[in-house]
Amino acid sequence: ETGVTQSPTHLIKTRGQQVTLRCSSQSGHNTVSWYQQALGQGPQFIFQYYREEENGRGNFPPRFSGLQFPNYSSELNVNALELDDSALYLCASSLAGGDTQYFGPGTRLTVL
Amino acid sequence: QKEVEQNSGPLSVPEGAIASLNCTYSDRGSQSFFWYRQYSGKSPELIMSIYSNGDKEDGRFTAQLNKASQYVSLLIRDSQPSDSATYLCAVNPGGGADGLTFGKGTHLIIQP
Repeated sequence: ETGVTQSPTHLIKTRGQQVTLRCSSQSGHNTVSWYQQALGQGPQFIFQYYREEENGRGNFPPRFSGLQFPNYSSELNVNALELDDSALYLCASSLAGGDTQYFGPGTRLTVL
Repeated sequence: QKEVEQNSGPLSVPEGAIASLNCTYSDRGSQSFFWYRQYSGKSPELIMSIYSNGDKEDGRFTAQLNKASQYVSLLIRDSQPSDSATYLCAVNPGGGADGLTFGKGTHLIIQP
């Protein structure tokens, strides 16, 4: 069984740029959720994708957007990067109808 | 606003003792509860899930849920230095599409 994978591991961007982060879900899982974890904080829910549609969203602005593909992999896109976007971005996958979420290793984004 | 509260610690426990971690949540309608362990610089790893009032045991770990008091706890028996980590309490308030709401985590230190 393949676990959740994410790429890249680390990323450095400058303010105003755009970034795309990628996630492959655990085999058999068709629901992907994205979280942002700032230093010293718990993860904050960004949004969730199921059947290629966003079906839940946390308190994040529209410049955070995503996609899910037919193979259940997903992308997180962030436009107009701000310094406060520096964080660990986590992808979690789960079975449809179940809510136990398994996290990938994360992408560390630094915005300068 | 849905909140999950944890004592940030650090909580220091001697090796071999029982570590007790606590969490309270604000949304009385919450249905599922999770404990994740996070080592420094790594992603959260699922330890336990609990859905019904009472205790659930898995090896050295016991999760306890009291929905009337809106309280979840995690007991770690025979604590080992490798248990030193941040423990995150997470709550799913509804059916899954709302994402998980996390506390800020409790930093646990097991002293050899």
